[in-house]
Amino acid sequence: EVQLVESGGGLVQPGGSLRLSCAASGFTFSSYWMHWVRQAPGKGLVWVSTINSDGSTTTYADSVKGRFTISRDNAENTLYVQLNSLRVEDTAVYYCTRGVDIAMTAFDYWGQGTQVAVSS
Amino acid sequence: EIVLTQSPATLSLSPGERATLSCRASQSVSSYLAWYQQKPGQVPRLLIYDASNRATGIPARFSGSGSGTDFTLTISSLEPEDFAVYFCQQRSNWPLTFGGGTKVEIK
Repeated sequence: EVQLVESGGGLVQPGGSLRLSCAASGFTFSSYWMHWVRQAPGKGLVWVSTINSDGSTTTYADSVKGRFTISRDNAENTLYVQLNSLRVEDTAVYYCTRGVDIAMTAFDYWGQGTQVAVSS
Repeated sequence: EIVLTQSPATLSLSPGERATLSCRASQSVSSYLAWYQQKPGQVPRLLIYDASNRATGIPARFSGSGSGTDFTLTISSLEPEDFAVYFCQQRSNWPLTFGGGTKVEIK
């Protein structure tokens, strides 16, 4: 059974940092492109970032470029995203997702999400 | 950035009725469009990818159609568990984008 379990969320002040993790199991993690998608309270879904299967290629939404860094450890079956210079508008549930296919793709498995709240 | 516009915002129907949801793209996305269902407090679930392919385990009452800029998600006969919010998403261009959602509510 495919499982994605996020952790690392919390309450942080504007300008602060967090590192989110996503532990993957039930599939060959190193073969899949992985993604982060977020959802602000009561709002829609927003794609945040993508990393290819070996970690050599990353892509970001303009709203987070230069502040967020996606990475992965295939030996540990774990996806990460480092969130720096956080803003109030980054407040959201952050989902770790698996891509159906490589590169630009749909998302077939989602973690339960981890809540990030940015507030003073 | 490709903008996806979903209509209607809310669809009020009774169980057993047919639901037709629309997603329009600001430019062609070929057939690279997916649909998701999200129930309150739950994680989004992939229903349809590449316009018309049902994801694993999705019932046959869900079907997708369209290409280019106009897409439709049809639920042939609404079951009680189908009342939820539905999002479309394109994978034709970066950034990947989602529509604003259509809420299917019980009439």
